Amino acid sequence: ETGVTQTPRHLVMGMTNKKSLKCEQHLGHNAMYWYKQSAKKPLELMFVYNFKEQTENNSVPSRFSPECPNSSHLFLHLHTLQPEDSALYLCASSQENRGGGYTFGSGTRLTVV
Amino acid sequence: AQKITQTQPGMFVQEKEAVTLDCTYDTSDQSYGLFWYKQPSSGEMIFLIYQGSYDEQNATEGRYSLNFQKARKSANLVISASQLGDSAMYFCAMTEEYGNKLVFGAGTILRVKS
Repeated sequence: ETGVTQTPRHLVMGMTNKKSLKCEQHLGHNAMYWYKQSAKKPLELMFVYNFKEQTENNSVPSRFSPECPNSSHLFLHLHTLQPEDSALYLCASSQENRGGGYTFGSGTRLTVV
Repeated sequence: AQKITQTQPGMFVQEKEAVTLDCTYDTSDQSYGLFWYKQPSSGEMIFLIYQGSYDEQNATEGRYSLNFQKARKSANLVISASQLGDSAMYFCAMTEEYGNKLVFGAGTILRVKS
């Protein structure tokens, strides 16, 4: 258990489905992140939330919609995805930006069929 | 913009030997942080070691040490006495001076042979 919990661990969805990924941390961190990890590509930062406010959207398509209702929870709402969106989606949280303050979840492995 | 380069897609090491994983970076910031993470096949990212740009001594954490050469902009990870459980993907990453984004390199797959 890393302190950051992601559910579900695995998800298979059709291109017309709507699903949500959930991330939860009780580490007292005030920043949360979504990263996408595709095969043979570096981790890509998708969204950054600081104190529940979105501070970064890294040119992510609108079919990905983040939501941060409080500092402990982060969601990624998915709709009308494409097969190339299949990847490992990692959530992370931090209190400081140094000293190993980033804690990652185990990820959700998403397959779009 | 920051950039991390890991030139070794894959590495092999014999059990109990040391191995160095290369990482170079590019930034215009004066203050930054450098990290190494381990990602086993389970997918989670495990923090290994951190080096601040103003830290004069190389960071060490158990069998992990970071060979920080600021002038060359390199932050290589050294794993001593490799174990079979060290087999994983290893990522070098950095944060900028302002803000809290963590930028990753492409990673190096390490395989420890018995």
